[in-house]
Formats: sequence, C-alpha cells, structure tokens
Amino acid sequence: DIQMTQSPSSLSASVGDRVTITCRASQGISNYLAWYQQKSGKIPKLLIYGASTLQSGVPSRFSGSGSGTDFTLTISSLQPEDVATYYCQKYNNAPLTFGGGTKVEI
Amino acid sequence: EVQLVESGGGLVQPGRSRRLSCAASGFTFDDYAMHWVRQAPGKGLEWVSGISWNSGSIDYADSVKGRFTISRDNAKNSLYLQMNSLRPEDTALYYCAKGRSYGLVNWFDPWGQGTLVTVSS
Repeated sequence: DIQMTQSPSSLSASVGDRVTITCRASQGISNYLAWYQQKSGKIPKLLIYGASTLQSGVPSRFSGSGSGTDFTLTISSLQPEDVATYYCQKYNNAPLTFGGGTKVEI
Repeated sequence: EVQLVESGGGLVQPGRSRRLSCAASGFTFDDYAMHWVRQAPGKGLEWVSGISWNSGSIDYADSVKGRFTISRDNAKNSLYLQMNSLRPEDTALYYCAKGRSYGLVNWFDPWGQGTLVTVSS
C-alpha cells in the first residue's frame, strides 16, 4: 500500500507568514490528492482536491501544488482562524490513506 | 443542505459487536459513494471503509478487514457499519463521509459530526 508522509508534524508561525506543508507519497499518485483542515473539536473540512483545485468557499490564501509523489499546501498569509491540523489524503486507489497531519499554531 | 447524522456509538466490551448508522439527507443518496473514517482520541484520520453507489464496489482498511462490514440501504438513505470482534484499538470517533461521486475512490465532502465508539472492559 502507498504511504503518505506529511512534514513537518507541527509548526508555529506568525500572523501574515507564508506557511508550507509537504505531503509525500511512497509511490506516484498523479494528482489524486486532497487536503483537509480540522480545527480543534471540529469535523474535517475539504480545502483542495486534484492537488490544486480549491474547494468552493475556501479562502484564496490557500493553494496546493504537486504531482506524482510530492505535494505542498501553502497558506500565503497565515490568519488566526487558520490554526488547525491539516491532512493530505490520496485517492488514486484504495486504501484511501491520509497523511499523519500537520498542526499549525500561531 | 447535505446532512449526515451518525448514531450507534457507545461503550462496548472487547470482542463484542456494534452497528453504526448514518442517516443522509439533502442530496440524492444513491448517486454517491459513502465512507466511514475514524479518528482515535488525539490521533489522525484513518479511512475505514467505503461503498460505491450501488454497493457493487466495497473496500476496507487492512486494520478492519474481516471484522467490519459496510452496507447501505438506498431506499432509506442510510449507511451502516457492522463492527464485530471489537478491539480496544478500535476506540475512535467514527465519521460518515460522502464521496465525491458514485465511484468508491474519491475524496470526502462533507463529513458528519461523528459517533464515538469506546471499546473497553
């Protein structure tokens, strides 16, 4: 099975900073990658699918890139409401594996 | 508005069984694949199982294969997860999630609020 590895596992940044989270697949998955945001005590929310397509209603400061094995989620200007844990998920085939998560703090 | 409401969680002894349900509304249920995703306390997300629109395609995580059974009743707009031979490591918040389309392999949006299953003696 393909493993999904996120880095870092946690980070602390300042408001207005550019934040980048990396997700690496153990084998190529083309662009079959989604990103989710989960705030503390809340349900996960879809941010990005197809590696780079922003879900409707998601602020434009979020962006995704990558293909094959290496992907990134970027927050161009970190806001207080972005404090959350972010997960990547592959969907090229089953199992539909998640990365371990990246906790973003301010 | 899409709504997914899970039920059936609770405290269960190791080795016993539990059946989770997810009631769906706000969309044409039999047009979409559905999934169960779990999250152990303080841990990350783990996909558990998924089922295509017509139940023709089903898959499970290795960690639950042979113990859990997913099913759906399109007439009742409901998704189920039959969990047998439960282990303490199955303790988690179980989310019901809607797939992007009819096929099994896709992303999840939206998610229900979850139902907590605690496996302990």
